[in-house]
Amino acid sequence: DAGVIQSPRHEVTEMGQEVTLRCKPISGHNSLFWYRQTMMRGLELLIYFNNNVPIDDSGMPEDRFSAKMPNASFSTLKIQPSEPRDSAVYFCASSRPDKESDTQYFGPGTRLTVL
Amino acid sequence: AQTVTQSQPEMSVQEAETVTLSCTYDTSESNYYLFWYKQPPSRQMILVIRQEAYKQQNATENRFSVNFQKAAKSFSLKISDSQLGDTAMYFCAFMPLTSGTYKYIFGTGTRLKVLA
Repeated sequence: DAGVIQSPRHEVTEMGQEVTLRCKPISGHNSLFWYRQTMMRGLELLIYFNNNVPIDDSGMPEDRFSAKMPNASFSTLKIQPSEPRDSAVYFCASSRPDKESDTQYFGPGTRLTVL
Repeated sequence: AQTVTQSQPEMSVQEAETVTLSCTYDTSESNYYLFWYKQPPSRQMILVIRQEAYKQQNATENRFSVNFQKAAKSFSLKISDSQLGDTAMYFCAFMPLTSGTYKYIFGTGTRLKVLA
């Protein structure tokens, strides 16, 4: 089975530009999580969805960040406008709480650099 | 507030030796899961081992085992016969079950280096 797929793997952009990160969860998983990892703050949960519905977005840093999950097999995390302090590795993870004891499976991450 | 503490920022071990990484957590929950994840230089987060709090038996996965002490709120990871490929960041994570939110709380990580 394919794991969690994220694209792009690397993104370099200039301050002020819009950035869209993409995630395809494992087929059959109904929970999806977006994390941000930095040296200073470690792993932070930004938002998570259950059955395509956002359940908790308290970790989203500000209005410049938005996330959508239009269907069970696709999610996006958008930053508009981007700032240098948004530079980080962004992970998507998925799980199926009713079957696999809530284990989250992570994608390979997207390394974002905002110049 | 629920917290996870990994008090060892960095550790090193000789190849083939045994090393133990510590993790403590603070919670008033009685039902939860605990996890160890490994993040090698490739940065992929890989599940190493998981433990249900209601199980007294310590989880084991090949060379990896845990020492789960529920009363002490301690969840250490033991790596036996360390291999060069075990070099990575190791994160402890806690997930309460009663809230129904399926959110993990991660520790700050321990960087492990296996020396040849």
